[in-house]
Amino acid sequence: EVQLLESGGGLVQPGGSLRLSCEASGFTFSSYAMSWVRQAPGKGLEWVSAITASGGNTYFVDSVKGRFTISRDNSKNTLYLQMNSLRAEDTAVYYCACDISGWTFDYWGQGTLVTVSA
Amino acid sequence: EIVMTQSPATLSVSPGERATLSCRASQSVSSNLAWYQQKPGQAPRLLIYGASTRATGIPVRFRGSGSGTEFTLTISSLQSEDFAVYYCQQYNKWPLTFGGGTKVEIK
Repeated sequence: EVQLLESGGGLVQPGGSLRLSCEASGFTFSSYAMSWVRQAPGKGLEWVSAITASGGNTYFVDSVKGRFTISRDNSKNTLYLQMNSLRAEDTAVYYCACDISGWTFDYWGQGTLVTVSA
Repeated sequence: EIVMTQSPATLSVSPGERATLSCRASQSVSSNLAWYQQKPGQAPRLLIYGASTRATGIPVRFRGSGSGTEFTLTISSLQSEDFAVYYCQQYNKWPLTFGGGTKVEIK
C-alpha cells in the first residue's frame, strides 16, 4: 500500500523558513517523480513544485521561484520542500504527491498545515 | 500559464441522477488532463488521467471525455459517496494548473 507522510508544518512568522518532509513507502520511490501541491484554507488546489525521479530536474510555480527548493533523498525514500522568505499567502495545507501517470498526482499524503502569521 | 476553467461552480443533483462537469483550457492541452475528487478534510483522489482513463479502483460510473480545450467528467447514477468537490488539472505544459473546482451537492 502506497503511503506518503508529510511533516514539518507549523506556525512561522513572515520572512521565516520551514522545511517540509514527505516519507514514502509501499512503492519504489526512486522510480517516480514527486510533487508538492498546496491548498489555502477554503480554496482550491495549487501545484507548487515537482522533481523528477533522479532529482535532476525541478520545477516551480512562479510565485515560489527563488524562495522554495525541492529535493529528494532516494536512499531515505524522502521528499523535501525548503521554504524561505515565507509570506502570509503561503499559508496552506501542503500535500506531497506521487506522479505515476505522467505529471498527474496519483497518490497523496494527508497534508501538513503551514501558517505564516505574526 | 494555461488557465483551467470549470463549470458550474456548484451542481445540485439528486442521488441516482447523472452529473456532468465541464473543464475548459485556455489553450490546447491535448489529452493531458486529469480529474480529482476531494471530500471535506481529505486529500484529493485521482479519478481520471489521459482525459479518459480511469485510475486504479475507480468505479465505471466515472467517465472522462474530451481533448484539446474542452473536457467533461460524467458521473452516472450519483451515489452518496460521490458528493464532493471535483478538480481538473492539465499536465501538458509547465506550470501544472488546476481548475477552480466544481462542488457536487445533494439536491
